[in-house]
Amino acid sequence: ILNVEQSPQSLHVQEGDSTNFTCSFPSSNFYALHWYRWETAKSPKALFVMTLNGDEKKKGRISATLNTKEGYSYLYIKGSQPEDSATYLCAFIPNTGGFKTIFGAGTRLFVKA
Amino acid sequence: GAVVSQHPSRVICKSGTSVKIECRSLDFQATTMFWYRQFPKQSLMLMATSNEGSKATYEQGVEKDKFLINHASLTLSTLTVTSAHPEDSSFYICSASRGGITGELFFGEGSRLTVL
Repeated sequence: ILNVEQSPQSLHVQEGDSTNFTCSFPSSNFYALHWYRWETAKSPKALFVMTLNGDEKKKGRISATLNTKEGYSYLYIKGSQPEDSATYLCAFIPNTGGFKTIFGAGTRLFVKA
Repeated sequence: GAVVSQHPSRVICKSGTSVKIECRSLDFQATTMFWYRQFPKQSLMLMATSNEGSKATYEQGVEKDKFLINHASLTLSTLTVTSAHPEDSSFYICSASRGGITGELFFGEGSRLTVL
């Protein structure tokens, strides 16, 4: 059974704090890893699509790294803002065909002004 | 671009009735759509893969006769929960693939089903 683990489950930070989350996934049969941002009452939206070991992606204050050999990815948020409050989902796609995506349970971030 | 719309967002029904949830890709053609179920504080669990013009592929443990999936066009997939019971109460969400090699998914807003 392929398992994707995210930690922490939830996180409360103050505005301006920097934070990071972890996603662990199987280190074999890797095809891609995605991070999605899911705001309350909205649909999840892709933040990063990562396919190569050592990938580092950055979008504004948010960045992500990928280590496929050891099976982990980190998501970093620098200088958190209240609008960063959301659930961040990690999604692993194995190379078994069909883009069958396995999701972690998410990290729920609360940023207090 | 790449908008997926899901309706209804909330539905309450009586036990024994059937409920249909629609998932539409508004600005692209989706040959493949996915249906998930989420229990509180758990991850999105894939229920089935919906392919346009063919039968859906169900994940192990998902009852085909309970959760009917129809993907009649390149922009619409429907999930019908038949003879719903309180244990079917859950959050259901769809996603669509636009093709390509990255596997990026575009999600609907989700539907909260409550069966009384």
